Amino acid sequence: AQRVTQPEKLLSVFKGAPVELKCNYSYSGSPELFWYVQYSRQRLQLLLRHISRESIKGFTADLNKGETSFHLKKPFAQEEDSAMYYCALGHSWGKLQFGAGTQVVVTP
Amino acid sequence: GAVVSQHPSWVICKSGTSVKIECRSLDFQATTMFWYRQFPKQSLMLMATSNEGSKATYEQGVEKDKFLINHASLTLSTLTVTSAHPEDSSFYICSASLPSGGSHYEQYFGPGTRLTVT
Repeated sequence: AQRVTQPEKLLSVFKGAPVELKCNYSYSGSPELFWYVQYSRQRLQLLLRHISRESIKGFTADLNKGETSFHLKKPFAQEEDSAMYYCALGHSWGKLQFGAGTQVVVTP
Repeated sequence: GAVVSQHPSWVICKSGTSVKIECRSLDFQATTMFWYRQFPKQSLMLMATSNEGSKATYEQGVEKDKFLINHASLTLSTLTVTSAHPEDSSFYICSASLPSGGSHYEQYFGPGTRLTVT
């Protein structure tokens, strides 16, 4: 079965501390993985996709096929990073399967 | 660019009535649109995939006769919740898909519609 697992519902970190959001997946083919972010009272927006291999807002994510993981990392968390983060697995025609989401709270 | 709008943003209806939610791609044509449902403090659950000019494809467990989807043009998809019940109260989100190179797509999300059934 195809699954996206985000084990942490809530992640609370201090400003300036590193933050890592875990995402594991199971998929029979070659996966396409994304991180989406939803700031308070805003719509869902794309943060990262694995094929881009870029850093957005200081965040990076590496696809590890051996561990079937796509963890999201940022070395120094900022207060504006407080949001809900969703890991998503892409299927054909752009269809997305979302993980349960991780709420990140960055405290000063 | 790539903006998706939804209307209404919030609707209250009585049990037994039907309510229609519109999803529009404002500055691009979307062959494929998706409808999601999100309960409070939970993730998005895909309800159906809507392709312009053809019948929607529903996910397992989603009643197609209850959640009617119409995608009559490349910029508009509608979701009609028929004979609404309080358990249909939820946040409904649509997205539109755009090719982003090769076989890859990118989804752009609407702001969502909060449905409350009394």
